[in-house]
Amino acid sequence: GAGVSQTPSNKVTEKGKYVELRCDPISGHTALYWYRQSLGQGPEFLIYFQGTGAADDSGLPNDRFFAVRPEGSVSTLKIQRTERGDSAVYLCASSKQGGTEQFFGPGTRLTVL
Amino acid sequence: GESVGLHLPTLSVQEGDNSIINCAYSNSASDYFIWYKQESGKGPQFIIDIRSNMDKRQGQRVTVLLNKTVKHLSLQIAATQPGDSAVYFCAENGNAGNMLTFGGGTRLMVKP
Repeated sequence: GAGVSQTPSNKVTEKGKYVELRCDPISGHTALYWYRQSLGQGPEFLIYFQGTGAADDSGLPNDRFFAVRPEGSVSTLKIQRTERGDSAVYLCASSKQGGTEQFFGPGTRLTVL
Repeated sequence: GESVGLHLPTLSVQEGDNSIINCAYSNSASDYFIWYKQESGKGPQFIIDIRSNMDKRQGQRVTVLLNKTVKHLSLQIAATQPGDSAVYFCAENGNAGNMLTFGGGTRLMVKP
C-alpha cells in the first residue's frame, strides 16, 4: 500500500518568504508527526497530532513555525519569514492509533537562500 | 537526493562480516527503543524495536541488545550486505505513541 508522502520533495526559497510543506499520512493512521533533520544529525521532533489536534508542539523552535491538520488526515507545516537556519530536511511520520511504530515519508528538503 | 550523515562516525566492514553499531541513550525513563536505517534521500526506515523489559530481540539478520544499567543499545547485523550501507539511528520513546528522540547516527559502509 501507499506509504507516507510529502510534497514538494525540494523547496528553495529566499530569506523572509513564507513556505508550506505538505504531508499525506498512511490512510487510517490517526497520529502524525513532524521532525526536522539537519545535515549530519538525527531527526528532531517538532510537533505531534492525534487526530485534528496538536497533542504536543513542544518541539516547534519559535512562533514562525505552525502546523495544521484540519480534517485529521493531511497536515501542512507552515514557516513564516524563513531564515537561512531553517534549511533542513523536514520529515513527516504517521502511526496507527495506539501503535508505536512510526512510518516516515521521504522528507522535503528546504533550502533558504 | 540529500546526503545524510556527512559528519557522522563511520563503520566500514567487509561484505559477509558481522556489524555492530552502538548507541548511548540519555533518558532512563524511556521504555521503548527503535533502530532506523536511513538511505540517502530517503526517510528513516524501521528495522527493529525493543521494550525496556527485554534485553535482547532478534529479527531477520538483525539483533538488538539493550543494557539499561549503562543506558546502551546496540544493533548487530549478521552477514552484512552492500544493501545494508546506510546511516543507522537509534531512537527512544519515553511515552509510547509520542515523540521519538534520535541519537546522532552511524554511517555503515559495506565493502564488496
